[in-house]
Amino acid sequence: GIQVEQSPPDLILQEGANSTLRCNFSDSVNNLQWFHQNPWGQLINLFYIPSGTKQNGRLSATTVATERYSLLYISSSQTTDSGVYFCAVGYTYNNNDMRFGAGTRLTVKP
Amino acid sequence: ETGVTQSPTHLIKTRGQQVTLRCSSQSGHNTVSWYQQALGQGPQFIFQYYREEENGRGNFPPRFSGLQFPNYSSELNVNALELDDSALYLCASSLELPVTDTQYFGPGTRLTVL
Repeated sequence: GIQVEQSPPDLILQEGANSTLRCNFSDSVNNLQWFHQNPWGQLINLFYIPSGTKQNGRLSATTVATERYSLLYISSSQTTDSGVYFCAVGYTYNNNDMRFGAGTRLTVKP
Repeated sequence: ETGVTQSPTHLIKTRGQQVTLRCSSQSGHNTVSWYQQALGQGPQFIFQYYREEENGRGNFPPRFSGLQFPNYSSELNVNALELDDSALYLCASSLELPVTDTQYFGPGTRLTVL
């Protein structure tokens, strides 16, 4: 079946540290998005990135579609970055169904 | 603020009851998708509506049904509630179909089934 795997499952950082979150997927995609879910459950879109590299402030993302992975970089982490980060993919043959990974729970300590 | 709203915020029901959850999409967004997120898991796709017609369904039984209205609002109906239906229900809207665009999520409705 279709697989979306995120690593690591949990990550604890000190404020100011950098981190890299990974998303592996098992099929060709035409849609890949990174989301941040805050403690109240709100999912905020960070990047729409089916391929290439994008940057937004301290966050950047790279998707290498041919090798079926995406990376989310967080630099100079802040306590407000805490939460769960999800990768979601839409597959070429059934792009109505966005498949989410299990998420990476990030805790940034002051 | 994503421009997507959901109501109610929280809801408690008992097993066997029926529930209706509501979502108001961003103006101009023709596609709405509904997801179920159990505690500690990623969201799971329930179904999608495009211009008021169902346009894809995940692995959920027929007692999960929906409607989309011309005013960019939509509903998720669940009949014969089961304990396992307790979850956060999220709706997401996007501009067009197929979903090759950014999805904007609402804040969710947390349903507890006792």
